[in-house]
Amino acid sequence: DQQVKQNSPSLSVQEGRISILNCDYTNSMFDYFLWYKKYPAEGPTFLISISSIKDKNEDGRFTVFLNKSAKHLSLHIVPSQPGDSAVYFCAATTGNQFYFGTGTSLTVIP
Amino acid sequence: DADVTQTPRNRITKTGKRIMLECSQTKGHDRMYWYRQDPGLGLRLIYYSFDVKDINKGEISDGYSVSRQAQAKFSLSLESAIPNQTALYFCATSDFALGGYTFGSGTRLTVV
Repeated sequence: DQQVKQNSPSLSVQEGRISILNCDYTNSMFDYFLWYKKYPAEGPTFLISISSIKDKNEDGRFTVFLNKSAKHLSLHIVPSQPGDSAVYFCAATTGNQFYFGTGTSLTVIP
Repeated sequence: DADVTQTPRNRITKTGKRIMLECSQTKGHDRMYWYRQDPGLGLRLIYYSFDVKDINKGEISDGYSVSRQAQAKFSLSLESAIPNQTALYFCATSDFALGGYTFGSGTRLTVV
C-alpha cells in the first residue's frame, strides 16, 4: 500500500511562473518530509525538507508547505526555470526508513 | 569521483541467472540502502543496513539478498533473476536517521 502518493505524474509550467507539486501521505506517524529532484541518468538529489513541527520551509526559489491535518505536502518553485525540468519525488519518514512517492515530472517551458 | 558509485551502470541478463549489483561510498556514512524505481511506483526500499553487522528487509525484499562487506560497500544480489526485476536500481547512503540521502547514479537492469 502506497503510504506516500503523488497523484500528478506530470506538470508543465511556463518559465517564470509558479510550479506547485503536490504530495499526500497516509501515515500520521511520519515526522519528517523531503523533496528530491532527479534528472535523467542521474540519482535523485536532495532538494528541501521540513519537520512535522513546522508548516513551511523556504530555501531560495523553493518552498515546502506542510498541512498535517490534511496529510498534504506541497513544493512551490518560484520563479520556475527551464533547469528545473526534472522528476520530483516527495519522501516521508518516521526515522528508520524513507517512503517515496511515485514522482511528478515537471517540464518548464521557455 | 562520485560520493556513491554503482556498478554496473547498465546490465542485461537472462532469466535464471545470478547477478550482483555493487555499491561503494566515500561519504563515510554508516547507513546504506538499496531501492528500485519502476514507472508509476516511485522508489521502493529493498534492503537497508545501519552498520556492517546490521541488515534489514525493506518493502520488497523477496528475490533479493544483500551483503555489507565493509562500511563503504553494500552489494545487492538477485539469485535467480526474473523479468519483473527489470528496473532502475539505486543505492543510497545517509549518516543519521533524518538526514537526506545521497544517491548513486543508478543501475539499469534488464532481465530477458
